[in-house]
Amino acid sequence: QKEVEQNSGPLSVPEGAIASLNCTYSDRVSQSFFWYRQYSGKSPELIMSIYSNGDKEDGRFTAQLNKASQYVSLLIRDSQPSDSATYLCAAPYRGSTLGRLYFGRGTQLTVWP
Amino acid sequence: NAGVTQTPKFQVLKTGQSMTLQCAQDMNHNSMYWYRQDPGMGLRLIYYSASEGTTDKGEVPNGYNVSRLNKREFSLRLESAAPSQTSVYFCASSEIPTDEQFFGPGTRLTVL
Repeated sequence: QKEVEQNSGPLSVPEGAIASLNCTYSDRVSQSFFWYRQYSGKSPELIMSIYSNGDKEDGRFTAQLNKASQYVSLLIRDSQPSDSATYLCAAPYRGSTLGRLYFGRGTQLTVWP
Repeated sequence: NAGVTQTPKFQVLKTGQSMTLQCAQDMNHNSMYWYRQDPGMGLRLIYYSASEGTTDKGEVPNGYNVSRLNKREFSLRLESAAPSQTSVYFCASSEIPTDEQFFGPGTRLTVL
């Protein structure tokens, strides 16, 4: 298993729906997780960080961490066409104090009007 | 606060030419990183620097060199560019203990 894996997508949802993006991870990563959004032709932008088991909400975004099952998800409620982007999941190397992150390959989300 | 800045935004090189990509951050972060991103390959770490004066290889360091000039600046040098180095290059910085990385706008490099 790769350190951080994302469901390959692409994912397409109608405007107003809930988009669910998932990421699984191995024992080689630490227990902090980050979600980045990357618009086409732009750089990754950090949108959510989650450090403990459970849910973390920020506006229309909810990150969920389940350590027992080793997955982390990002829910986008009331999806908008402006949410169309590639979403990257990332986690630090276990034991590293140097800040290196493993990145998933990303899931491309399209929200259609 | 400009965050992470990169220059140039675009560059076209001929095979064998050299160039330096510049990166600077104004967030007082200790750690800085250089990534390349290719279609279907995701982000791949080239080099990183955990603190001023230190640099380490990432996943794909061959053909590149780096310099951590001071706490703010981290440059990436291609000594003899090859078509395989055509890519988008991102610089990022972070601070322990959050490990949150913040990215610059990127440099789109084409090697002919």
